[in-house]
Amino acid sequence: EAQVTQNPRYLITVTGKKLTVTCSQNMNHEYMSWYRQDPGLGLRQIYYSMNVEVTDKGDVPEGYKVSRKEKRNFPLILESPSPNQTSLYFCASSLYRSQETQYFGPGTRLLVL
Amino acid sequence: AQSVTQLDSQVPVFEEAPVELRCNYSSSVSVYLFWYVQYPNQGLQLLLKYLSGSTLVKGINGFEAEFNKSQTSFHLRKPSVHISDTAEYFCAVIERSSASKIIFGSGTRLSIRP
Repeated sequence: EAQVTQNPRYLITVTGKKLTVTCSQNMNHEYMSWYRQDPGLGLRQIYYSMNVEVTDKGDVPEGYKVSRKEKRNFPLILESPSPNQTSLYFCASSLYRSQETQYFGPGTRLLVL
Repeated sequence: AQSVTQLDSQVPVFEEAPVELRCNYSSSVSVYLFWYVQYPNQGLQLLLKYLSGSTLVKGINGFEAEFNKSQTSFHLRKPSVHISDTAEYFCAVIERSSASKIIFGSGTRLSIRP
C-alpha cells in the first residue's frame, strides 16, 4: 500500500531534550516536506527536499533540522525543543515537485514541557 | 510575497444544502492552486487542483472550484453537502516560478447539521 508513515505518532518531551521524528514513503517520490499545524494558522512549511541531499528552508525553519540521505526517508530533528514547538507535525511527499499531489502522513502530535 | 486568505474559519450548513468556501490569494506571479481536506484525526488529502487550462476544476466527492484571476480567488463549492463532508478544508498556493514552496491558508472548518 502506497503510504507516508511517521513515528512516533504522539510524543511528550521536556525542553532541551533532542528528538527526531521519522518520515518514510514507499512511493519513490523525490519531493518531501515537513509542516506544522497550529490552530488558526493552518499548515506552515518547515523544510522541504527536492531530492537526496537537496534540502531547503520553508517558512518556519528556526529550531529544526532535516536530512535526506535516502530517497525514502526525511527525518525532522529538534536539537533543543522549546514549548513553542508544541504542535501537530505532518510529513508529505510528491512525485517530483510540490505542485503535484502531495501525500500526507498521519501526523505526529508533539508536546514540549 | 504570496499569501492565502480563508476568511471563514467556520462554516455551518444543513445537510443537502449548497456550500461555498472562500479562498483569496495574493501573488505577483502566476500560481498553482489547491484545495486539501482534513478529516478528523487524519492527514490532508487533495480535493482538487488548478495548474492550467479550464478555470473550473472538478475534484473528488462532488466538489468543484473556479479560478478567477481578476479577483485572485479560488472558491470551493458543492451543490449538496453530506454529513461525511464534515472536515477542515485548506486552500493552498504555489508560485509557478518557485514550484517548491507551498503556502496554506488557515483553514475553514465545515460542520454539517442534520
